[in-house]
Amino acid sequence: AQKVTQAQTEISVVEKEDVTLDCVYETRDTTYYLFWYKQPPSGELVFLIRRNSFDEQNEISGRYSWNFQKSTSSFNFTITASQVVDSAVYFCALSEGVGGYNKLIFGAGTRLAVHP
Amino acid sequence: DTGVSQNPRHKITKRGQNVTFRCDPISEHNRLYWYRQTLGQGPEFLTYFQNEAQLEKSRLLSDRFSAERPKGSFSTLEIQRTEQGDSAMYLCASSLPGGNQPQHFGDGTRLSIL
Repeated sequence: AQKVTQAQTEISVVEKEDVTLDCVYETRDTTYYLFWYKQPPSGELVFLIRRNSFDEQNEISGRYSWNFQKSTSSFNFTITASQVVDSAVYFCALSEGVGGYNKLIFGAGTRLAVHP
Repeated sequence: DTGVSQNPRHKITKRGQNVTFRCDPISEHNRLYWYRQTLGQGPEFLTYFQNEAQLEKSRLLSDRFSAERPKGSFSTLEIQRTEQGDSAMYLCASSLPGGNQPQHFGDGTRLSIL
């Protein structure tokens, strides 16, 4: 069965620290997609990144970077030099579905608190 | 801004009443999804439309729940005879076709059952 595990429930850091959010997934599909979303206190889920199962290149976008490793079924997210505005709940998600990869399966989320 | 719009933002109702939520997707998105999120959890998939066709329904969607997308544009989610356990945030998302297309979410409708 498809499943996404985010073992870290809450993380607290001081501004400018680097922080890594872990995500482990399970799927029997050979083709799948992985996503990260941010949910700030306002509540709206904001799309951050998408990765397909055939592309294991790491990606960097500003202070954000993602490490995808199929061998360990992990898709970890690192924020470098964290800022207070990074405080939010972060969700990792797996896209699966017959014939079109429709629904997202979310992890339980990691709440990140960045203190000044 | 032409993001996903959901109404109402909050709904408080008594147990046993019927409620209906509306979602207006991004205009060029033909796929529309409903999710439910309870406190401290990630969103859980409820149902999915491609244009006006409802293509998948979760087992979470009991007989009291019904969703429609009559003209392939906006969608409604109705809950009949609400129960305490229905209290949650109901999220709508839309996307372009294709498995790798990200889903864009609305602000959600928070349902509270008294």
